[in-house]
Amino acid sequence: RKEVEQDPGPFNVPEGATVAFNCTYSNSASQSFFWYRQDCRKEPKLLMSVYSSGNEDGRFTAQLNRASQYISLLIRDSKLSDSATYLCVVARGGGSYIPTFGRGTSLIVHP
Amino acid sequence: GAGVSQSPSNKVTEKGKDVELRCDPISGHTALYWYRQSLGQGLEFLIYFQGNSAPDKSGLPSDRFSAERTGGSVSTLTIQRTQQEDSAVYLCASSPDRGSSLHFGNGTRLTVT
Repeated sequence: RKEVEQDPGPFNVPEGATVAFNCTYSNSASQSFFWYRQDCRKEPKLLMSVYSSGNEDGRFTAQLNRASQYISLLIRDSKLSDSATYLCVVARGGGSYIPTFGRGTSLIVHP
Repeated sequence: GAGVSQSPSNKVTEKGKDVELRCDPISGHTALYWYRQSLGQGLEFLIYFQGNSAPDKSGLPSDRFSAERTGGSVSTLTIQRTQQEDSAVYLCASSPDRGSSLHFGNGTRLTVT
């Protein structure tokens, strides 16, 4: 089982739609969680950190379920500019702090 | 302020040649990472430097790969006797401290012919 797993998609949605991505992780000792966004042929950029209580940043909401070991990202009122690949990132505590990236979920928002 | 800088942005080399990739992290960032991303694949961890500690080399795929970080700042990733399967985008990232998010450079696209 991969350490971080995501549905690769693509998710193809119309503008204005709400879309949700899930990500599962295998290591229960994981302590830090993030969502990154990667545009085609560009470097990944931090979208948001994920906190235990859940957190929101504008149209984006992230949630963490430690018991089930999954993280979610909800995007409301999708924009064309949201089209990108969304990477789930998990890092363990203790020893080396090494973020592990999922392969990403592709989102295409169309007019 | 300046972000993470990587050079060269593109490198084409013949199989069997050695290559050096350079990363200038954000000033003051103590953590530095190298990842690589093959076409259509996720990011694969290679090596991690944290302050003056010994680097975590657990992700290096073979002994042809090595990296160093001089003076706690600039890092160089060296690939010896390159193979075609080494073709990928090599991404460097830095972080202000342990536990913070990563700031990536634009990457070096390596093509081995």
